This record gives sequence, structure tokens and C-alpha cells, in this order.
Amino acid sequence: NAGVTQTPKFQVLKTGQSMTLQCAQDMNHNSMYWYRQDPGMGLRLIYYSASEGTTDKGEVPNGYNVSRLNKREFSLRLESAAPSQTSVYFCASHGYTEAFFGQGTRLTVV
Amino acid sequence: TQLLEQSPQFLSIQEGENLTVYCNSSSVFSSLQWYRQEPGEGPVLLVTVVTGGEVKKLKRLTFQFGDARKDSSLHITAAQPGDTGLYLCAGAAGGTSYGKLTFGQGTILTVHP
Repeated sequence: NAGVTQTPKFQVLKTGQSMTLQCAQDMNHNSMYWYRQDPGMGLRLIYYSASEGTTDKGEVPNGYNVSRLNKREFSLRLESAAPSQTSVYFCASHGYTEAFFGQGTRLTVV
Repeated sequence: TQLLEQSPQFLSIQEGENLTVYCNSSSVFSSLQWYRQEPGEGPVLLVTVVTGGEVKKLKRLTFQFGDARKDSSLHITAAQPGDTGLYLCAGAAGGTSYGKLTFGQGTILTVHP
């Protein structure tokens, strides 16, 4: 059982470049989330999707867009990467009482 | 905006010692979760507490949810090097924000042999 799969695992971008982080879950969960993790700041919510066809902003949405492609897939797009977006990004899907996380994408913007 | 203050941020102890990590908020949560994260991996759920005053035990780990459902603690008895990792508390909101988690800043625990 794969759970939550994120790609890529590592990425280096130049300032101004764009990229999409992919996420897929096989647990038939309705809700999916994108977080970023920075030292000393825990996990901060970027965007979430409570169900297929809906997306909402979280705590730190600026500079990001998301697409809930279907029930399984939830992608995060950086249109014009900035050094402040250097972080580790986690996708998660939520069951009733538990969040399941992917392994993370370590993104560096130079 | 709901905030969770987690303390301490760093904890370095010797094998066999006991420790407590605290998670405090001025907001009420419908449930409180504790996660453990190892380097290069995503957080993994340890426990969920739902009822005010609830105490749950997981081997040497004891989790408590405050009576008012605003705070929680994680106590580890006789810590072992295998307990080393990042511990995160997360509060779940109810109502229209159902499912959204607010995370504390995390506690980096290092247990020395």
C-alpha cells in the first residue's frame, strides 16, 4: 500500500522558474493538503482541498497555486519561484482522525 | 487563527532519563494529535486524543489532553536513543474547518547513549 506519493524528492530551481509538485494518494480520502516545513516553524498549511473539485487557501498561499485533478491527485505549482520558497514541501491526505504524509520534496531556489 | 505553542524546541538528554514536551494554545481543539518525524521522512501519527482529560499510553510514551482541550503533553519514560526525532503536536479544528490541522513548531529530541 503506497499511501501518499510525492514527486520529485529533490529539486533545485533558479529564481523565476516554474515547477509543479505532484501528489497522489491511494486511500480514497476526500481531503488533501499541501504544507511547507521550515526550521523552527513546524508545518504551515499552503492550500487544501476538502473534496474533489474544491480548493481553499491555507496560512501561507502567496506564490502558489493548486489543482485537485481528481480524488487521488493534488498538485502544487510555483509560477515564479523565489528564494523565500526554499523549503521542504509535504503533501498529506486526511482520514477521519489521522493525516498521512508523503516523504516530502526538498526544494531549493537559487 | 489558531496557534499552538510547543516547548521546548530542543531537548538533549541521556538514555534512561524522563522528559515532557508541552503543547499549549488559547484555542479549543476538537482533537489533538502527536506525530513523530525522522530525517528525510514525513510525520507519522503516534496518537490522537479527543476527550478533555484523556490520557493515552503507548509503551513508554504517555499523552495527555487538557481538561479544556487547549493543551496537551507528551511524557517519555526512560528515553532510549531510538526515541530521537522531531515530535510535532497538531490540533484539529471542528465545524467548517473540519480536518485542518494547526501544527506546533516541533521539538527536536536527541537521546544520547
